[in-house]
Amino acid sequence: NAGVMQNPRHLVRRRGQEARLRCSPMKGHSHVYWYRQLPEEGLKFMVYLQKENIIDESGMPKERFSAEFPKEGPSILRIQQVVRGDSAAYFCASSPPGTSGYQETQYFGPGTRLLVL
Amino acid sequence: GQSLEQPSEVTAVEGAIVQINCTYQTSGFYGLSWYQQHDGGAPTFLSYNALDGLEETGRFSSFLSRSDSYGYLLLQELQMKDSASYFCAVRGFSGSARQLTFGSGTQLTVLP
Repeated sequence: NAGVMQNPRHLVRRRGQEARLRCSPMKGHSHVYWYRQLPEEGLKFMVYLQKENIIDESGMPKERFSAEFPKEGPSILRIQQVVRGDSAAYFCASSPPGTSGYQETQYFGPGTRLLVL
Repeated sequence: GQSLEQPSEVTAVEGAIVQINCTYQTSGFYGLSWYQQHDGGAPTFLSYNALDGLEETGRFSSFLSRSDSYGYLLLQELQMKDSASYFCAVRGFSGSARQLTFGSGTQLTVLP
């Protein structure tokens, strides 16, 4: 059973360009989470999605960032008009359906390292 | 809001025992998780405590005291491969109650 998959693993963009990060959850998992990690820091929650629904985007910057989890295909985190401060590692996690919040374990992908020049 | 405190660095020798503490402040509390992360790698789930007490999984154990808002990760028989960052994380009542709030991590260095 493949784990959480993310691509690309490394992404370089120039200021003003768009970055698209993809995440395929573990097979059978319907909950997807995106976290951002700056160097020497812990992960910061960005957004929680289920299929075709954004459940909690309280950690998402109000501008330039968006996320989706379509009925078919991977979850996408999209960053428009990237700036140098967006350089970070972006991790996706997934968890299975049917678990209540307090019982749930989140399984993380290998991350996408975004570098904005 | 939610915040967690854990030491930034810990150093120990192979075969030793090390304890990484974590104190938290949170509006509501579901449980305390621990994750391991090697440089450039994905956070890997280690343990989860929802109730007070000690949970043991092989060489790793995790403890929680809800009344003290405190937990720790205990690593025994340290091996070189245990050198990594260790994060405590809580799930509280904010937002969807599914988001994890992470500490800043403890960098563990195991010396030969």
